[in-house]
Amino acid sequence: AQKVTQAQTEISVVEKEDVTLDCVYETRDTTYYLFWYKQPPSGELVFLIRRNSFDEQNEISGRYSWNFQKSTSSFNFTITASQVVDSAVYFCALSVMTTDSWGKFQFGAGTQVVVTP
Amino acid sequence: DADVTQTPRNRITKTGKRIMLECSQTKGHDRMYWYRQDPGLGLRLIYYSFDVKDINKGEISDGYSVSRQAQAKFSLSLESAIPNQTALYFCATSDLKIRDGNTGELFFGEGSRLTVL
Repeated sequence: AQKVTQAQTEISVVEKEDVTLDCVYETRDTTYYLFWYKQPPSGELVFLIRRNSFDEQNEISGRYSWNFQKSTSSFNFTITASQVVDSAVYFCALSVMTTDSWGKFQFGAGTQVVVTP
Repeated sequence: DADVTQTPRNRITKTGKRIMLECSQTKGHDRMYWYRQDPGLGLRLIYYSFDVKDINKGEISDGYSVSRQAQAKFSLSLESAIPNQTALYFCATSDLKIRDGNTGELFFGEGSRLTVL
């Protein structure tokens, strides 16, 4: 069985501070994908990034960066110089690459990020 | 127009009523899903369908049923709604064809907020 843990329920920061969201996952499968989604106050779910289990390279996209470490089963997400528009719930998700499991995403509980001016 | 469309977007109903949430997609994906979001619990899978003739239960299927009327349509029904089914419901699609370079992400509809009184 797969499991995704986002231990941080809510993080509050002041604008321009950095914020790191933790994601720890569990799976016995060796081939899997990890995702981050953003859910702004309007409610839609916005895809941010996918990382596969064979690619441990960190990634930076603008103010966003992701740190994938298989040794600790973690896929953490950092927002640098946060802005009010970053206020949202962020979900980490896992999907294993087996025929019957592919697409059955396991989501974490989500972390609410509140950025105040 | 959205690629994944859910109707209704908001619905208030009474205990015992039958409710249907509809989902249609223009992405041409074979795989469709219904997820439920509750505060602090993330998104949980209710049902999923890998093609028109394939329907599978997710982790919280009790009290729900689905119908895959066509590749593009996937409906979720609550035969006799109860208050603890009050939640935000999301339909999603995905494309298994990783070989075509797609990200394998879930594409979500805008959500249907259901309140059962």
